[in-house]
Amino acid sequence: AQSVAQPEDQVNVAEGNPLTVKCTYSVSGNPYLFWYVQYPNRGLQFLLKYITGDNLVKGSYGFEAEFNKSQTSFHLKKPSALVSDSALYFCAVRDRDTDKLIFGTGTRLQVFP
Amino acid sequence: KAGVTQTPRYLIKTRGQQVTLSCSPISGHRSVSWYQQTPGQGLQFLFEYFSETQRNKGNFPGRFSGRQFSNSRSEMNVSTLELGDSALYLCASSLVINEKLFFGSGTQLSVL
Repeated sequence: AQSVAQPEDQVNVAEGNPLTVKCTYSVSGNPYLFWYVQYPNRGLQFLLKYITGDNLVKGSYGFEAEFNKSQTSFHLKKPSALVSDSALYFCAVRDRDTDKLIFGTGTRLQVFP
Repeated sequence: KAGVTQTPRYLIKTRGQQVTLSCSPISGHRSVSWYQQTPGQGLQFLFEYFSETQRNKGNFPGRFSGRQFSNSRSEMNVSTLELGDSALYLCASSLVINEKLFFGSGTQLSVL
């Protein structure tokens, strides 16, 4: 069965430090991969996507994600965290066979000054 | 360019009632999808429509239904409401399938 796992409910990081939000998936074939962010009292916003090509994808607000096929992972990264990055982050995977978009349960990122 | 608009913003209903939620996508977007967001379950996929056709359906009971109109606007209906249906219902639109989604602010449904 298709699934997306975000193993950490919350990630805490100090401002200026690098951050990583983890995502692993289980789908057949080569999926489309996405990251979305939900700021407090605001809707979800698209950050980045991986379809094919370079395993390192750059997105909005300085975020990037690394696709690792052998580990079926798509971790979100940023070299230097900002307090304003504090939000809820969702990984999503679209199975190319079933065409269903599956979201992870979300990871709350807390950046401390 | 106006974003995705969902109405109403808040709804309070009692068990057994039914409810209809509305979603107006970004102009030109033909794909609309619906999600249920709860604190413990994250985002659960409900339906996806493209040009008035339901392309995909999530694992929800038949009490949950939806449709898309010729102007791409979409409605979602939940009949015989249960307490567990309390959630934030999000609508998203995109130009075509597999493109990035633009989300509305959601409808917060409380079932008492």
